[in-house]
Amino acid sequence: GAVVSQHPSWVICKSGTSVKIECRSLDFQATTMFWYRQFPKQSLMLMATSNEGSKATYEQGVEKDKFLINHASLTLSTLTVTSAHPEDSSFYICSARDVKGVGYGYTFGSGTRLTVV
Amino acid sequence: QKEVEQNSGPLSVPEGAIASLNCTYSDRGSQSFFWYRQYSGKSPELIMSIYSNGDKEDGRFTAQLNKASQYVSLLIRDSQPSDSATYLCAARNSGGSNYKLTFGKGTLLTVNP
Repeated sequence: GAVVSQHPSWVICKSGTSVKIECRSLDFQATTMFWYRQFPKQSLMLMATSNEGSKATYEQGVEKDKFLINHASLTLSTLTVTSAHPEDSSFYICSARDVKGVGYGYTFGSGTRLTVV
Repeated sequence: QKEVEQNSGPLSVPEGAIASLNCTYSDRGSQSFFWYRQYSGKSPELIMSIYSNGDKEDGRFTAQLNKASQYVSLLIRDSQPSDSATYLCAARNSGGSNYKLTFGKGTLLTVNP
C-alpha cells in the first residue's frame, strides 16, 4: 500500500530557531500534500495544501511566512517552522493524496512532535 | 463553513460488543467519506472509505452512508481492546481542485476487557 515517510518523528529546538520537517511518498507520486497540526486532545487542523511545483495554499489564520512549505518534487514536501516559539509546540502531520490509489486514498505520515523550549 | 460533527465520547463498550460511531456533515456536495483510527500519540490510519449510499463491509468494520441525511457511521463488530482509540470521520470537500478533507473532532472509543 501507499507509504508516506515523515521525519524527524520528534524534535526539540530552542525558541527562535527553525525546524524543517520532511515528508516523502515512497511508492507513489503525490501531486498534492496536506500539512496538519494537532494539539493535545484536539482534532487535525489543516494548515496548508501544497501542489508539486506551485505555491502552497494556506488556511485562514496560518502565517505563510512562519510555516514555509516547499513541494519541489512529486515525492517530497517540506514544512519549515521558522523562528519557532513555545506556542508552536504541537504534533505536525503530513498527508499525501495518491491519485492512482484505491479510492483516491489519503495516506498520513507518522507525524512529528515538535517541542520548542 | 464546512463542518463534520462527531460525538466526542468517550464511548465505552465491553469486549465482543458492537461499537457504533456516528458522524454528520454539513457540505451537501461532499461525495467521499473516510474513517480513520488514531491511537494516542500516533498519526491517523485509514480504516475505510465510502462513496455510495448504503453499507460497505470490510472484516469487522461496516461503514454506512446516507447522503440524504448527511450521515455517516462506522460499526465495529466483536470489539477488541486493541480497537480502543480515537476514531476520526472525514469528508472530502466539494468544489476546488485540492480535494481537502474536513475532519471531525473524533470519538474516543474504549473497549473494556
